[in-house]
Amino acid sequence: DGGITQSPKYLFRKEGQNVTLSCEQNLNHDAMYWYRQDPGQGLRLIYYSQIVNDFQKGDIAEGYSVSREKKESFPLTVTSAQKNPTAFYLCASSIKWGKGGYEQYFGPGTRLTVT
Amino acid sequence: AQSVTQPDIHITVSEGASLELRCNYSYGATPYLFWYVQSPGQGLQLLLKYFSGDTLVQGIKGFEAEFKRSQSSFNLRKPSVHWSDAAEYFCAVVSGGYQKVTFGTGTKLQVIP
Repeated sequence: DGGITQSPKYLFRKEGQNVTLSCEQNLNHDAMYWYRQDPGQGLRLIYYSQIVNDFQKGDIAEGYSVSREKKESFPLTVTSAQKNPTAFYLCASSIKWGKGGYEQYFGPGTRLTVT
Repeated sequence: AQSVTQPDIHITVSEGASLELRCNYSYGATPYLFWYVQSPGQGLQLLLKYFSGDTLVQGIKGFEAEFKRSQSSFNLRKPSVHWSDAAEYFCAVVSGGYQKVTFGTGTKLQVIP
């Protein structure tokens, strides 16, 4: 079955450590996205990538980094510079950016807790 | 900038009753509009979308939504709610000039027997 895989489901880290969240898709989609979800705030865009080896900052990119070396993979690193990293992180993909390609498919999410 | 407002944070309905969730957007031209549903601890699933054409769109799970340009609204409806519909619902908008989808803050639906 095609879809988006995020691992792990739950992640715990100590403050000051970097942590990388995995996102893999086998939908052959060009575009991929990372969102952060906090209660009452909806989804906020962290980074997005429309094509391999290219990505852009979203609304809240500070303290995060990404890479897009393969079409199927878009890992997100939460660095120690992120002031409030505890949140639910969602990865999504779409066929492409542009007419007909705005529809996004979401992974199951990773809940990150930093103490 | 594009924006979307979901004025209801929580809504409680009885099983079998009708449902309407409100969504208002802010954008000058015709936007692309979506409704997503999220069960607790899960990702989002697309319910329906509007790009152009018929302003009443049908989605999965018996949901429908109506685009009203004059009111800048895209309200989600269901004639008879089931207990399994309890979840959080997100409205989203994208306009061609902006390279992203903007999500509303969500409406949490509770269904009581």
